Amino acid sequence: SQQGEEDPQALSIQEGENATMNCSYKTSINNLQWYRQNSGRGLVHLILIRSNEREKHSGRLRVTLDTSKKSSSLLITASRAADTASYFCATDGAQGGSEKLVFGKGTKLTVNP
Amino acid sequence: DTAVSQTPKYLVTQMGNDKSIKCEQNLGHDTMYWYKQDSKKFLKIMFSYNNKELIINETVPNRFSPKSPDKAHLNLHINSLELGDSAVYFCASSQANSYSPLHFGNGTRLTVT
Repeated sequence: SQQGEEDPQALSIQEGENATMNCSYKTSINNLQWYRQNSGRGLVHLILIRSNEREKHSGRLRVTLDTSKKSSSLLITASRAADTASYFCATDGAQGGSEKLVFGKGTKLTVNP
Repeated sequence: DTAVSQTPKYLVTQMGNDKSIKCEQNLGHDTMYWYKQDSKKFLKIMFSYNNKELIINETVPNRFSPKSPDKAHLNLHINSLELGDSAVYFCASSQANSYSPLHFGNGTRLTVT
């Protein structure tokens, strides 16, 4: 299957530090997306990176994609307590289509004030 | 003016009962989904509908039956509930193209006793 695997499973840092989460997947993709899930809430889309892109930025978020290694990383700079959440990567497969988006198991990030 | 809303938020019921979860989106999206998130936070797609037509039906017991009366609504009916059905069920929607992110509801926590 093309399921993504996030690493680490859990990460605890102090406010102001950077947080890096990694995602590996198994098959070719069209795009990779990152989502955040706050406790008791639905997932919220953060950023999408296409297979022909290597890096993308959005505010304090930086996503990289290495299709040769089938991996992606999400970097959150200058973390805040409000960044505490679970972060998931999702891949769509080379055939494309959000209909078949497959999520990893997530990284639980705790940012301590 | 919630974009994707699902009801109820919590559902506690006994084994063998039949229950329904409702979902509505006001984003004008063509595609709607049901995902199941287990106790380990693993998110797995169950169904996907595009313009009221079923396009994905993953390996889900036929006790689960989705119904889409129009493209803004996708309800989930579950017959003969079992203990293993306890999970959080998320409704989501998106435009039907490869680069469209998913918009999630806040989930329905189903507890079967």
